[in-house]
Amino acid sequence: DAGVTQSPTHLIKTRGQQVTLRCSPKSGHDTVSWYQQALGQGPQFIFQYYEEEERQRGNFPDRFSGHQFPNYSSELNVNALLLGDSALYLCASSARQDTGELFFGEGSRLTVL
Amino acid sequence: QQPVQSPQAVILREGEDAVINCSSSKALYSVHWYRQKHGEAPVFLMILLKGGEQKGHDKISASFNEKKQQSSLYLTASQLSYSGTYFCGTEQYNQGGKLIFGQGTELSVKP
Repeated sequence: DAGVTQSPTHLIKTRGQQVTLRCSPKSGHDTVSWYQQALGQGPQFIFQYYEEEERQRGNFPDRFSGHQFPNYSSELNVNALLLGDSALYLCASSARQDTGELFFGEGSRLTVL
Repeated sequence: QQPVQSPQAVILREGEDAVINCSSSKALYSVHWYRQKHGEAPVFLMILLKGGEQKGHDKISASFNEKKQQSSLYLTASQLSYSGTYFCGTEQYNQGGKLIFGQGTELSVKP
């Protein structure tokens, strides 16, 4: 049973560029959440998708947007990249009817130069 | 609104016990605990849903005091495999699924 898979694992961009990160949830899960984790910090909630709609959003600017597809996979898009966007981006999946346990992927390490 | 964890770091010898605390200024619906090893994804340990609830998993247990908005994680007879960074994640009422994580507690268990 495959867990949460994310791609790409590492990428380097320059300021002003745009990036798309992808996530496939664990089999049987219908909810996807995205987190940003800076070095030495706890994960920060970006947003959550369920039934192809954004259900919850953290304190992130509109440059951060997302999408969920009918097969429950999800994308995170970041426009007009800033140096401060450099971080590990974690995708977590869960099942709506469960207690809320999150299964995290290994993350996508984004470096903005 | 980020929960505050204490201590920030702790070093143990194998077999020793540790307590990690998590405190929030907001009314909480639930508290989650996760462990993250260096270069790996966070891994779920347990979730506490109601005030005064306690849960245990092997030699790791936790409590949640809903009145004080505090949770504690107890690691008993620590093993080398317990090393990592522990995060509490808090969920407020009417914000289902939105977990706010603390800054983490780095635990090192030495032989």
